[in-house]
Amino acid sequence: AQKITQTQPGMFVQEKEAVTLDCTYDTSDPSYGLFWYKQPSSGEMIFLIYQGSYDQQNATEGRYSLNFQKARKSANLVISASQLGDSAMYFCAMRVLSGYALNFGKGTSLLVTP
Amino acid sequence: SAVISQKPSRDICQRGTSLTIQCQVDSQVTMMFWYRQQPGQSLTLIATANQGSEATYESGFVIDKFPISRPNLTFSTLTVSNMSPEDSSIYLCSVEMDTTYEQYFGPGTRLTVT
Repeated sequence: AQKITQTQPGMFVQEKEAVTLDCTYDTSDPSYGLFWYKQPSSGEMIFLIYQGSYDQQNATEGRYSLNFQKARKSANLVISASQLGDSAMYFCAMRVLSGYALNFGKGTSLLVTP
Repeated sequence: SAVISQKPSRDICQRGTSLTIQCQVDSQVTMMFWYRQQPGQSLTLIATANQGSEATYESGFVIDKFPISRPNLTFSTLTVSNMSPEDSSIYLCSVEMDTTYEQYFGPGTRLTVT
């Protein structure tokens, strides 16, 4: 079975600062993908970034980067230069490539302050 | 990426009735999924819907309660049958791109059952 753990229920960061959202995972399958999604109060799930278990380099998408530490089974999301519009719930998810279901963590609520 | 629309965006329904949610994608995709997000919770996969085959349901979800159709590669419907207040949730469809493992979500349907 796969498990995703997000230990930070809520985080605060000041505008223009960087913030790291933690995510650890557990799986015995060697082939898997890790995802981060943003969910604003409107409820939509916005895809941010994807990292495959065999990818050699950490994934980056604009201000988002994924700090992938395979031996530690962690996949932390780093948001650089935070903006007020980054305030939202952030979900880490994993999928083993032999299946299709995304298993989600409980989420981290991020609040960006002026 | 994919542009996904859902109808309705929200609805308030009476106990015992049924609601059909539509999901439309702007490109042909093999894999479509239906998720449920109960208030304050993370997302849970209801079923996987492939065109031309019966939907595959996750543990705890049954076809009689959540019948799904997938008539073509750009469209799917989820029906929530014989609703009770416990069915009040956000229902989201998602697709997996055929050339990558990235999964994108629709804007969700916010359902309230009274």
